[in-house]
Amino acid sequence: LAKTTQPISMDSYEGQEVNITCSHNNIATNDYITWYQQFPSQGPRFIIQGYKTKVTNEVASLFIPADRKSSTLSLPRVSLSDTAVYYCLVGGSGSQGNLIFGKGTKLSVKP
Amino acid sequence: GAGVSQSPSNKVTEKGKDVELRCDPISGHTALYWYRQSLGQGLEFLIYFQGNSAPDKSGLPSDRFSAERTGGSVSTLTIQRTQQEDSAVYLCASSPRQILYNSPLHFGNGTRLTVT
Repeated sequence: LAKTTQPISMDSYEGQEVNITCSHNNIATNDYITWYQQFPSQGPRFIIQGYKTKVTNEVASLFIPADRKSSTLSLPRVSLSDTAVYYCLVGGSGSQGNLIFGKGTKLSVKP
Repeated sequence: GAGVSQSPSNKVTEKGKDVELRCDPISGHTALYWYRQSLGQGLEFLIYFQGNSAPDKSGLPSDRFSAERTGGSVSTLTIQRTQQEDSAVYLCASSPRQILYNSPLHFGNGTRLTVT
């Protein structure tokens, strides 16, 4: 099972671009990389998913290098409402049980 | 459409009592997960159901914890003889199918359990 490592916390200011990197050295060939966002008193919410190279949607971009041992979530021009905990999840191949979430990165956006 | 629904949203119980937590997944979702989140911590996997297959119970912390999924839909997580260390938010998630590509997890807002 692929274990993930993320920074515990990050600080940023409104309008800046934020990049959060997740390490997953033992990612399996068929694993996907998915990022979730969690606000207090809510369950995590899907942000973006990718397998390799770059994926972009309306809220974020996901950069995955060729070796896939890490991934970087990029949030353009953050606002106060982006203050949340961000989780990187690696899995999705073979048995879907026991999907392991890391401890997440607490992003604090300041005015 | 309706998302994942969990009830109750809050539960306070006395040490030693049994509790049942309920999860209504999104209709048609075949995969269902339970996670536990202690204050300020990440998500701890508890159990996974997929269709009619035997559940993956590898994350259950003790034999006081059990879960059922009836008719492939509603799931109940039961904690017997609750202890103070069981206090946490219990999150349920579902996904449309076994393969998670393009079918990410959809979480409920959890049940906050407090054992006094």
